[in-house]
Amino acid sequence: QLQLQESGPGLVKPSETLSLTCTVSGGSISSTTSYWGCIRQPPGKGLEWIGTIYYSGSTYYNPSLKSRVTISVDTSKNQFSLRLSSVTAADTAVYYCARHGRYYDHVWGTYRFGAFDIWGQGTMVTVSS
Amino acid sequence: QSALTQPRSVSGSPGQSVTISCTGTGSDVGDYNYVSWYQQHPGKAPKLMSYDVSKRPSGVPDRFSGSKSGNTASLTISGLQAEDEADYYCCSYAGTYTSVVFGGGTKLTVL
Repeated sequence: QLQLQESGPGLVKPSETLSLTCTVSGGSISSTTSYWGCIRQPPGKGLEWIGTIYYSGSTYYNPSLKSRVTISVDTSKNQFSLRLSSVTAADTAVYYCARHGRYYDHVWGTYRFGAFDIWGQGTMVTVSS
Repeated sequence: QSALTQPRSVSGSPGQSVTISCTGTGSDVGDYNYVSWYQQHPGKAPKLMSYDVSKRPSGVPDRFSGSKSGNTASLTISGLQAEDEADYYCCSYAGTYTSVVFGGGTKLTVL
């Protein structure tokens, strides 16, 4: 079955760039019925959507993080990657990768996101000098 | 982009029912029938419990049911069991540009 696995450094220095890779196994990242998302959770706090990518490279970002976020996809490796620049201690969190469905909404005439139905185990990233 | 509003905590005894509310705006919960709910146990990844307001993924007990009225969505858990004790998060699609917004989370305690 489809699985996602996050990987990347557990410690990043302030002002540097956080980089994470999500590897998809048991299915193709090029599926036309899937979007691929990044979500984070600071210690003891709630979930925050960071952004989403489609295999074609189309991206959608949380407006509050948009200036610092880049999500990219490598279909040859079945991976997508997150880069978050100029990090501070407030970016310390567990970072999750997740799959969500891609559905055509006949009411609105656009594609829309489905729920996050498959999640990676998450990886803790600490921002500290 | 404001988070959806959930109560910080709810509680109930085994066998009872509890309802967790999730209040948004006319730009997210009120405008779209695309609310989902996630259960998260300590140290674990979230698990999808309900989607598109009231649909249940395969394998989720029918004790979990979602609904929506206006700008407020709800998750009702009936026949509470000890293993239901967890944090619950709601989430709504919010259109092409804002896209996704989560609630702040509710801690369910089974007494």
